[in-house]
Amino acid sequence: DAMVIQNPRYQVTQFGKPVTLSCSQTLNHNVMYWYQQKSSQAPKLLFHYYDKDFNNEADTPDNFQSRRPNTSFCFLDIRSPGLGDAAMYLCATSRETGGLAEAFFGQGTRLTVV
Amino acid sequence: AQSVTQPDIHITVSEGASLELRCNYSYGATPYLFWYVQSPGQGLQLLLKYFSGDTLVQGIKGFEAEFKRSQSSFNLRKPSVHWSDAAEYFCAVGALTGKLIFGQGTTLQVKP
Repeated sequence: DAMVIQNPRYQVTQFGKPVTLSCSQTLNHNVMYWYQQKSSQAPKLLFHYYDKDFNNEADTPDNFQSRRPNTSFCFLDIRSPGLGDAAMYLCATSRETGGLAEAFFGQGTRLTVV
Repeated sequence: AQSVTQPDIHITVSEGASLELRCNYSYGATPYLFWYVQSPGQGLQLLLKYFSGDTLVQGIKGFEAEFKRSQSSFNLRKPSVHWSDAAEYFCAVGALTGKLIFGQGTTLQVKP
């Protein structure tokens, strides 16, 4: 039933230890997004893929990388997590880009850095 | 610059009372506007969206929103709030890249 699935729901990682969050979709959408949402703040776009084309937001730190090996899966890699990277990470998909595109969100992965 | 402002950070209403959540946007072109709801620890669910046409749009769970170009507003309303409506509500404008620019959110608390 779930259309955008994020694993795991909760992730604890050590300061500086690389971590990967995963997202999969059953909607066959062209576009996949990663948003970061810190406590009591609005979600903020990190980057998105249109098919295999990667689009980074200008203010996304280099510490954040992403991979999309196929249409269904997209990964968020944090190379050296800092305490400031603790947040909810939301994956979303849409059929196309453009203002008309409706985004479908996953449940999110809450990342804790210790 | 594109931006969304939700003036009310926190709102408390009694169950059965009416609700209005405010949203103002700044966008250079015709805006694509959305309201999302987020329950604690969950992802975002789309309540409704506005692209063009009738300025009063109906959404899920009995919500509606009215687009007012002259006021740059897209306020969300519900005639009678249920306890299950307690959540965080985000207004967003959609950019041409598909990127969503969110407001800061309004937390809705419902009193029994």
